[in-house]
Amino acid sequence: EAQVTQNPRYLITVTGKKLTVTCSQNMNHEYMSWYRQDPGLGLRQIYYSMNVEVTDKGDVPEGYKVSRKEKRNFPLILESPSPNQTSLYFCASSSPGLAGGGTQYFGPGTRLTVL
Amino acid sequence: AQKVTQAQTEISVVEKEDVTLDCVYETRDTTYYLFWYKQPPSGELVFLIRRNSFDEQNEISGRYSWNFQKSTSSFNFTITASQVVDSAVYFCALSPFNQAGTALIFGKGTTLSVSS
Repeated sequence: EAQVTQNPRYLITVTGKKLTVTCSQNMNHEYMSWYRQDPGLGLRQIYYSMNVEVTDKGDVPEGYKVSRKEKRNFPLILESPSPNQTSLYFCASSSPGLAGGGTQYFGPGTRLTVL
Repeated sequence: AQKVTQAQTEISVVEKEDVTLDCVYETRDTTYYLFWYKQPPSGELVFLIRRNSFDEQNEISGRYSWNFQKSTSSFNFTITASQVVDSAVYFCALSPFNQAGTALIFGKGTTLSVSS
């Protein structure tokens, strides 16, 4: 089944404790992105990647890191989480091109709480 | 600036009613993509439809239909004979053609509640 998977789905942590949210896709997509969803602010892009070793900032990159060492994986790293990073996080993947390309398919989401 | 506006924050209907969700967008690009996504209470984001700016044909898929009007910068979504399972938050989104697959500008969403 074609899908984007994220782990963990739920995480409660404390301020300053480094964490990684993993994202993996099995659709051989070149593009991957991370978003956060907050009440009243909607969905905002954190980082995106157009290929292995190619990443770029989205709208709200502060406090986050990403890496793309393999095509299928795009982990999101919070090196020193703070309470304002409490949010629902989504990973997405997409292929470029006209024929069906450009559509971002989303993972199930990771609900993060930073105390 | 690129922007997507979903003016209806919440809509409540009774089962079997038809409901239209409005979406108005702003962009200076001549080519772009428009999308609708559904977020049910379980929280995942489900892709519903993608439309190219150069294709203004309306689309129907079962009880769902979409009306794209470039002249009014609107991409409205109609659910015919709504069902309780249609209860969700619906997002309209815009992607510039040259950023397709990376940039996705979302509206704030419309929460649809369908009661039996």
